[in-house]
Parts: sequence; C-alpha cells; structure tokens
Amino acid sequence: DTAVSQTPKYLVTQMGNDKSIKCEQNLGHDTMYWYKQDSKKFLKIMFSYNNKELIINETVPNRFSPKSPDKAHLNLHINSLELGDSAVYFCASSQVSQMNTGELFFGEGSRLTVL
Amino acid sequence: DQQVKQNSPSLSVQEGRISILNCDYTNSMFDYFLWYKKYPAEGPTFLISISSIKDKNEDGRFTVFLNKSAKHLSLHIVPSQPGDSAVYFCAASTGKLIFGQGTTLQVKP
Repeated sequence: DTAVSQTPKYLVTQMGNDKSIKCEQNLGHDTMYWYKQDSKKFLKIMFSYNNKELIINETVPNRFSPKSPDKAHLNLHINSLELGDSAVYFCASSQVSQMNTGELFFGEGSRLTVL
Repeated sequence: DQQVKQNSPSLSVQEGRISILNCDYTNSMFDYFLWYKKYPAEGPTFLISISSIKDKNEDGRFTVFLNKSAKHLSLHIVPSQPGDSAVYFCAASTGKLIFGQGTTLQVKP
C-alpha cells in the first residue's frame, strides 16, 4: 500500500534509446510532479500536473514528455537518451492546496543510468 | 543560479547533542520554507515547515528558525538521535518547490 510508487527503480540503458518511468499515487491527490536529482544532488522540478493538466513546465529538453492519463498517474517518457540524463528521477504528489506550502509526498526514486 | 543553498555537505554530531542545519536563499518572494528528510533508497519525506510571516516553528525535537533579513533558515534537532542520520533538504516555495542540495547528518551513538 505504497503511497507514491515508481517503476522501475533502476534503469540502465544505452545512449539513443527511449525509456519510460511510471508513477502512481493512491493518496487521492490532484497534483503530481517529476523532479530530477542531478549529480550535484540538487532536486529540480521538471513538470507538474493538476487533474491531468500541465501547470509547471521548467526548461526541460523536449525529449522529455510527461503524460498523465488520470490524476493518479504521471508517466515520464524520455526519447533519444543522452549521458547527461543519468540521474535519479522522483515522482511526487500533493493536494493543489498544498502546492504553495510545499508539502509533497515523494516516491522512492528511479535511478536512470545512460551508458 | 541556485536560489536555495546548503553550504555544508555534511555534519556529524554526538547522540543527545544539538544538530544545527543551515540553509541560505536569495529570493525574497518565497512564502514557505520547508525541511525534508531523506534516507538512502527512499524518497524525501516532509519534516517541518515555516511560513515567511513567522520566525520560528517547533514540532517536538525539531525547530525551524527563519531570519528574513539574512535570508537564512536553520533546523535545530534536540536531542539528536542515531535515527536522525539522513540527508536533510531545505526547500522554499513560491508555488513550486525549490530545493537545496542537501546536508548529510550523522548522529553517532
């Protein structure tokens, strides 16, 4: 009964491949996020969806395409993977009312390694 | 350009003593500040927050202090316990959450 679950937890792939990471939350939240933790350990927001609508889209290459089929799911698809895409990707969720207060619930992370 | 910075990558304290984790920010428009705690192979979990209109918030052993004039935030843990050993992220919000790079706290028995 994990609150925010991501799959896969580990992903090793070659440059140029396309891969997806899936995220599901069972908290009944209406807002979901993707964060990237880079090699310098900063957690940086990539995207945010509220009720399946994109509300935050940071300066992310358009090789990254989020998709939210419903408010409980937010998937991340990455095309033409590059070495610099290697990172840990965290999915998170919140109630929209908590967006400003910043109380997010995070998944365990998906470590992507591009060779 | 990092708007939230944690300049100490690590901190080691003895069990029972006080742990003080620091955070600096540059954007005066932030309206909430938060601390998250992260264990290895887990996602960050919310610990404590403070509104920009306050200067202190306390929750059990955890107290967050906000100094707006210095644009400085700190987390005090008293007394520190071995189970507090984790990475602590400072974060600030203007509708989206911006994180620092984390400080690894080790509490020695």
